[in-house]
Amino acid sequence: EDQVTQSPEALRLQEGESSSLNCSYTVSGLRGLFWYRQDPGKGPEFLFTLYSAGEEKEKERLKATLTKKESFLHITAPKPEDSATYLCAVRIIQGAQKLVFGQGTRLTINP
Amino acid sequence: DTGVSQNPRHKITKRGQNVTFRCDPISEHNRLYWYRQTLGQGPEFLTYFQNEAQLEKSRLLSDRFSAERPKGSFSTLEIQRTEQGDSAMYLCASSLWGLNTGELFFGEGSRLTVL
Repeated sequence: EDQVTQSPEALRLQEGESSSLNCSYTVSGLRGLFWYRQDPGKGPEFLFTLYSAGEEKEKERLKATLTKKESFLHITAPKPEDSATYLCAVRIIQGAQKLVFGQGTRLTINP
Repeated sequence: DTGVSQNPRHKITKRGQNVTFRCDPISEHNRLYWYRQTLGQGPEFLTYFQNEAQLEKSRLLSDRFSAERPKGSFSTLEIQRTEQGDSAMYLCASSLWGLNTGELFFGEGSRLTVL
């Protein structure tokens, strides 16, 4: 069965303390991996799309990477406003519009 | 505000009642999605429209669930004979290019509580 697992479930960091979030997937055929950010009480907000192993994308303090089995979201020198739940999702079937989401990592950055 | 708009934001209902949620997508977006999210979990796909055509439907969308997008603009999601297990956040998203770019624009959701 196609599965997306994120770890850790929750992560608490001090401001400026860099770390990485993990998204591992077991799917029959990856057609794209997506990262979203979700603030409490809000809908997810798109961050990145990755399509092939070795690909990297960056946005401000965030950098997403992809291997054949997992993706990492690296957060460099985070600030309190980076506190949110980070969701990864995969598209499995070419042409299909369904995303399969992981359960998310709840990130808290303390000042 | 030109984002995705969902109404109502909160709905409390008794088991067995019917509820309807409305989603107004970003005006130029022809693709519209419904997802459901329970506490501590990621969103789960329910259904997808391109213009007025419903092209994909999850097995989660049981007989009690129906979604429409009559003129290719706003969409409604109706749940009949609600059950306590239907309590969740119902998220609508819209997109111009769909998963070709992966950029879906989500609304703030409609939270359903079934007593």
